[in-house]
Amino acid sequence: SYELTQPLSVSVALGQTARITCGGNNIGSKNVHWYQQKPGQAPVLVIYRDSNRPSGIPERFSGSNSGNTATLTISRAQAGDEADYYCQVWDSSTYVFGTGTKVTVL
Amino acid sequence: QVQLVQSGAEVKKPGASVKVSCKVSGYTLTELSMHWVRQAPGKGLEWMGGFDPEDGETIYAQKFQGRVTMTEDTSTDTAYMELSSLRSEDTAVYYCATGTNWNDRYYYYYMDVWGKGTTVTVSS
Repeated sequence: SYELTQPLSVSVALGQTARITCGGNNIGSKNVHWYQQKPGQAPVLVIYRDSNRPSGIPERFSGSNSGNTATLTISRAQAGDEADYYCQVWDSSTYVFGTGTKVTVL
Repeated sequence: QVQLVQSGAEVKKPGASVKVSCKVSGYTLTELSMHWVRQAPGKGLEWMGGFDPEDGETIYAQKFQGRVTMTEDTSTDTAYMELSSLRSEDTAVYYCATGTNWNDRYYYYYMDVWGKGTTVTVSS
């Protein structure tokens, strides 16, 4: 089965840039989607198909995907960006989620 | 705007079954690709099953095959997820979720609308 690996945690200083990676075999050939989840809340889609932002998601959120790594970038990080982030792909009739990354804004 | 309203928290004993509902408002269930995702305490998201974009049928994650059944009542626009033979490891928050970004032809490969979740506790 297909696996997606994310770092357990990422720390970023307020106003700086955070990069969250999602590793998978030849993930660059797949469409990657990203979700933000705050404590006690349902996930929210922040990036779909590698680099597209749903309406209402700030431009500070961007994504890229190539080779074996997809990346979610949060520019000018704010305190409100503290959350868990999950990548997701579709592979062989299965929706696969990454292991999740906790982002802390210092 | 699509909204998903889930049923309330459940407490079940090991070996029992639980049936969680997800009522759709703002659209009709037949036009949606529904999924179920769970999250155990302190753990990540786990897809349980849902719409297969390849053939339009319902598919289940291998881990849950034989134990999970997902159904829909189109007369009430309500989706259901029933999980049987419950064990303590099934204690989790269960979410229904769907894709509604119809401007994107691949909208059914991700989920942009989620219910608030239903907590299921399995304990003797």
